[in-house]
Amino acid sequence: IQMTQSPSSLSASVGDRVTITCRASQGMNTWVAWYQQKPDKAPKSLIYDASKLESGVPSRFSGSASGADFTLTITSLQPEDFATYYCQQYETYPPTFGGGTKVQI
Amino acid sequence: EVQLVESGGGLVQPGGSLRLSCSASGFTFSSHAIHWVRQAPGKGLEYVSGISSNGGTTHYADSVKGRFTISRDNSKNTLYVQMNSLRLEDTAVYYCVKDWLNQGAGIFYFESWGQGTLVTVSS
Repeated sequence: IQMTQSPSSLSASVGDRVTITCRASQGMNTWVAWYQQKPDKAPKSLIYDASKLESGVPSRFSGSASGADFTLTITSLQPEDFATYYCQQYETYPPTFGGGTKVQI
Repeated sequence: EVQLVESGGGLVQPGGSLRLSCSASGFTFSSHAIHWVRQAPGKGLEYVSGISSNGGTTHYADSVKGRFTISRDNSKNTLYVQMNSLRLEDTAVYYCVKDWLNQGAGIFYFESWGQGTLVTVSS
């Protein structure tokens, strides 16, 4: 399954609502995760099963699914949210990642 | 607290070999599948290899099949990957990653990540 992530980058301001989308190349269930990666750091898991928040992740992050489209939404962007975000499907082997979305100021 | 600490990275010539290790703590290592995910400089994430909780099942990306061998020592809470016939395109940061599921081969949801170790293949 290929995951096509868009946009590849976006510019936003503190307080903005940000939406990132991944489209799967075939129909699938909700076995999708979202990760956040800051420069020179390891990725951090944010959301799994398309919409379940990892422990400790702020509630301004949310995930949703509609058909083959999976969305990560950040309401009220905070300074610490500027990072690159990746989606990943784990429904079929091999697990595959989207190309990433860089959220910039 | 889950900790995954990779080691063994470095500079190696094309065709050379390297063995990476990942020392784990803060969870029941023998219950979880563990994986390697890599990231080439300035690029995205790529699944490399994984091993089930008891070591009986292994997975490899097509790009490394036949060249990389993953293994684990549950008595030492340590994961390994032996990388042979290294190519320029293997240059990347290699992350050790814990699977969310606490049994078997896992579900390939990468719950916890190490800080990574850099492998540079260059002449």
